[in-house]
Amino acid sequence: EVQLVESGGGLVKPGGSLRLSCAASGFTFSSYSMNWVRQAPGKGLEWVSSISSSSSYIYYADSVKGRFTISRDNAKNSLYLQMNSLRAEDTAVYYCARVITIFGVVTPGLFDYWGQGTLVTVSS
Amino acid sequence: EIVLTQSPGTLSLSPGERATLSCRASQSVSSSYLAWYQQKPGQAPRLLIYGASSRATGIPDRFSGSGSGTDFTLTISRLEPEDFAVYYCQQYGSSPETFGQGTKVEIK
Repeated sequence: EVQLVESGGGLVKPGGSLRLSCAASGFTFSSYSMNWVRQAPGKGLEWVSSISSSSSYIYYADSVKGRFTISRDNAKNSLYLQMNSLRAEDTAVYYCARVITIFGVVTPGLFDYWGQGTLVTVSS
Repeated sequence: EIVLTQSPGTLSLSPGERATLSCRASQSVSSSYLAWYQQKPGQAPRLLIYGASSRATGIPDRFSGSGSGTDFTLTISRLEPEDFAVYYCQQYGSSPETFGQGTKVEIK
């Protein structure tokens, strides 16, 4: 069974840092691109960042570029999001999500499995 | 970036009724790379439809998607109690991938 379990969320002051983790199991993690998607309280979904299976390709939303860093450790089946210079508008539930493979073809930006999310609250 | 506008914001229907949800894009969605997700309170989103009209694995056939270009529709033929939720459309044909603001389907 595919499982994605996020951790590392919490309350942080504006300007602070936080590192999120996503532990993957039930599939060959090293074969899949992964993403972070966030959802502000009571709001819709916003794509944050993506990383290819071998970390060769990394992308960020403009809203987090230069402040967030995505990474992965395939030996540990883990995905990370280092968040620096946090702002109030970064307050959200952060989900890790697996990119789907359809008939053996990776489909970037389309997500078939999501974790349950971890809440990040940026407030003084 | 492509902006997706969903309508209506809220749909009040009874179990057994048909639900029709709309998603309009600010520009043409490449290769009909349009998906629909369902989200229930406190849960992660669940992929329902991709490629505008293909059902994801395990999705009941009462869910169907249609459309192309800038106008897309999700139809739930007969609402089951478990279908009352928020539905999001997403385009994944152009970077950055973007989501609509959601349509809430609530029990009338």
